[in-house]
Amino acid sequence: QVQLQESGPGLVKPSETLSLTCVVSGYSISSGYYWGWIRQSPGKGLEWIGNIHHSGGTYYNPSLKSRVTISVDTSKNQFSLNLSSVTAADTAVYFCARLENTWQPFDYWGQGTLVTVSS
Amino acid sequence: DIVMTQSPDSLAVSLGERATINCKSSQSVLYSSNNKNYLAWYQQKPGQPPKLLIYWASTRESGVPDRFSGSGSGTDFTLTISGLQAEDVAVYYCQQYYSSPQAFGQGTKLEIK
Repeated sequence: QVQLQESGPGLVKPSETLSLTCVVSGYSISSGYYWGWIRQSPGKGLEWIGNIHHSGGTYYNPSLKSRVTISVDTSKNQFSLNLSSVTAADTAVYFCARLENTWQPFDYWGQGTLVTVSS
Repeated sequence: DIVMTQSPDSLAVSLGERATINCKSSQSVLYSSNNKNYLAWYQQKPGQPPKLLIYWASTRESGVPDRFSGSGSGTDFTLTISGLQAEDVAVYYCQQYYSSPQAFGQGTKLEIK
């Protein structure tokens, strides 16, 4: 059974960088598939952030592209999200998820982690 | 960008009855070369992540009860829950994965009448 688990600070100061990691179990990232990040806030609903292939190829939401970096570490079977220059508008529950192809739906999701941006 | 709009925002249906949720995309999500609609439906219960129910507009994900069905093509889609059960209380989202940025509808909250 594929399982994903997000981890990272629950509180980030404005203008700093939000960093989250998603550890995958039950499936080897290097075997294939794409891996993505989605966030959910009361104001904006569900928002796709970006996807990464195990080879390192990335696809980002154009509205966030200038601030987002997604990377993969196949040796640790995990992938990560960095979002720079955060503001209160970046406060959300952040989910990691799996998708078969970057133009496919998300079939497995992590439980999500709440990140609050506040001083 | 493709904008996804769901209706209604909330819905109350009696147990055993049919629930119908609509989703409209601002552009067609039908890819002509493979005749597939790049549209998915998710169910989200409080404190849980979204769960994939339907993809390609009408294909049920493995393990999803057959009372859930999806229909539609192009820009207009419907999720139907036949024989509503108490465990179906949730928020339902549609998603287009036809073009970047992938986008979700605003959600429809389904409750028991």
